[in-house]
Amino acid sequence: EAQVTQNPRYLITVTGKKLTVTCSQNMNHEYMSWYRQDPGLGLRQIYYSMNVEVTDKGDVPEGYKVSRKEKRNFPLILESPSPNQTSLYFCASSRTGGFQPQHFGDGTRLSIL
Amino acid sequence: GQQLNQSPQSMFIQEGEDVSMNCTSSSIFNTWLWYKQEPGEGPVLLIALYKAGELTSNGRLTAQFGITRKDSFLNISASIPSDVGIYFCAGQAGTYKYIFGTGTRLKVLA
Repeated sequence: EAQVTQNPRYLITVTGKKLTVTCSQNMNHEYMSWYRQDPGLGLRQIYYSMNVEVTDKGDVPEGYKVSRKEKRNFPLILESPSPNQTSLYFCASSRTGGFQPQHFGDGTRLSIL
Repeated sequence: GQQLNQSPQSMFIQEGEDVSMNCTSSSIFNTWLWYKQEPGEGPVLLIALYKAGELTSNGRLTAQFGITRKDSFLNISASIPSDVGIYFCAGQAGTYKYIFGTGTRLKVLA
């Protein structure tokens, strides 16, 4: 089954403790992206990757890092999480970035205390 | 960052009614996409629009890519309870960057 898998689905942690949210897709997609969803703000793009070793900033990249060492994986790293990063996070992928609709994972709810 | 203005923010409608929602931007987009999100899940694509003026249907859903390329509309005909969810529009400006609307929360009363 074609899917985008995120882990963990839920995480409660404390300020400053480094964390990684993993994202994996099994569709051989070139393009992957991370979003955060906050009430009243919709989804905002954090980072995206056009292919292996190629990443770029979205609209809200501050406080986040990403890497794309393999085509299928695109982890989101919070080196020093802060409470304003409490949010619902989604990973998405598409065959290529240009004009291709994205497939989304089921989300990761992060709470930073 | 840039966002799309989506309206209405929420709607309560009776089962069987038609629904209309829209999305507007100050910028031109090359692609408009409409997604639906249900509780506990990620957004799922409903309709993709690639050309100004394009009108596309998917079952009871119809979406249009505005002529000015700065807006898009989604209509749902004869709503049913499973239409409940949050509907998002998304526009693609550059080749790789996506901008999402703030969402329209739809509730259907049986």
